[in-house]
Parts: sequence; C-alpha cells; structure tokens
Amino acid sequence: DAGVIQSPRHEVTEMGQEVTLRCKPISGHDYLFWYRQTMMRGLELLIYFNNNVPIDDSGMPEDRFSAKMPNASFSTLKIQPSEPRDSAVYFCASSFSRANSPLHFGNGTRLTVT
Amino acid sequence: RKEVEQDPGPFNVPEGATVAFNCTYSNSASQSFFWYRQDCRKEPKLLMSVYSSGNEDGRFTAQLNRASQYISLLIRDSKLSDSATYLCVAPQAANKLIFGTGTLLAVQP
Repeated sequence: DAGVIQSPRHEVTEMGQEVTLRCKPISGHDYLFWYRQTMMRGLELLIYFNNNVPIDDSGMPEDRFSAKMPNASFSTLKIQPSEPRDSAVYFCASSFSRANSPLHFGNGTRLTVT
Repeated sequence: RKEVEQDPGPFNVPEGATVAFNCTYSNSASQSFFWYRQDCRKEPKLLMSVYSSGNEDGRFTAQLNRASQYISLLIRDSKLSDSATYLCVAPQAANKLIFGTGTLLAVQP
C-alpha cells in the first residue's frame, strides 16, 4: 500500500502566483480531506469529498482557494493568487466511509509564499 | 467554545513517568474519537481509536467520558521516543473529523 501521496513536498512561490497542490488518496478510500496546519491555528479542515463530490467546503478561507476531485485517485487544491499568510503545511488525508474509520495522511506540502 | 480543546502543554516528564492528557469536545452526538501522534515536521499518524468501553494498547490507554464530553490518553512508563505532539480528534458530523491543536509531550532522560 503506497499510502496517500502528495506533491510537491515543498513549494516556494512569490505573492500573487498560482499554487497547485496535488493528492492521490489510498486506493479504495472514498473520502478525501484537505487540511492546513499552522502554529497559530493547528490543523484546520478546509474541504472534504465523498466519492469525488465536495461535501463541505466551509473551511475554505477565501475564494482564492479552490479544490477539485476529477476522479477517485486524484485531487488538487489551488490557491490563486497566493499571499504570504497562506504559508503553511497542507495535508491531504483519505479514509473509508465505514463508521470509526480513521484518516490516513500524506506527507504534506510545505508552502512558503514570499 | 472550540469544537475540540486540548491543553497545549508542554508536558515535561522524566523517563518512566505516567502522563495523562485530556481533550474536551463540544458535539454531544459525536461517536468516533481518535488520538493521533505527530512528530516534528511529519504528518499525523493514528495512535489509537477511542471506544466507549475504553481501550488499551500496551503502555497506552484511551478512555471516553460521554457525560463530561472528554476523552483521555494515559501513557505509562514514558519513553524518550514518546516525545511528540498528541492530537485528539472528534467528529463534527459523520466523517468530518476535527482536530484539537495538540498537546506537546517532552520526555526527559
């Protein structure tokens, strides 16, 4: 089992640039989550999908953030335009839909916006 | 009130000590709870699920108190390798898992 795969591991970009983060969930998992982690706020849930359909995007901070899941094995989180306050570690996680199913996290993408 | 609250610590304990963390949650309908461990600059990893009857895995014991809406984690005979941040997790809705900000544990030699 390859686990949840995220890319890139690190991203450094300038303010105003578009950033795209990628995630491949564990095969067979039907839930996919995007979290953001900062020292100040901890792990915040941004959005999650079930069977490729967005279920709850109430955690997405602004319209600059968007997420898609075109198929069961791929999701993207896009920030356009990026700002320095978006600097954080972005985690993707996946799980089964059965009760008490835990999340499995990817290694995360460390984003720095200068 | 935050949905999931934890004491951020740090908890500094000597090797061999017993340490306990509590975590409160606001959604009384929550059913599934977890403890995750996160090492510095790594992703969170599942430590253990928390069952209504409580559960134990080696030196680790997790308990759930529904009446007071908190979950606890007890670590016995602390090892240096237990140093990490411990995150508690509770659902806000089915499959929508919310994390606490974490409790930092530092086990000293």
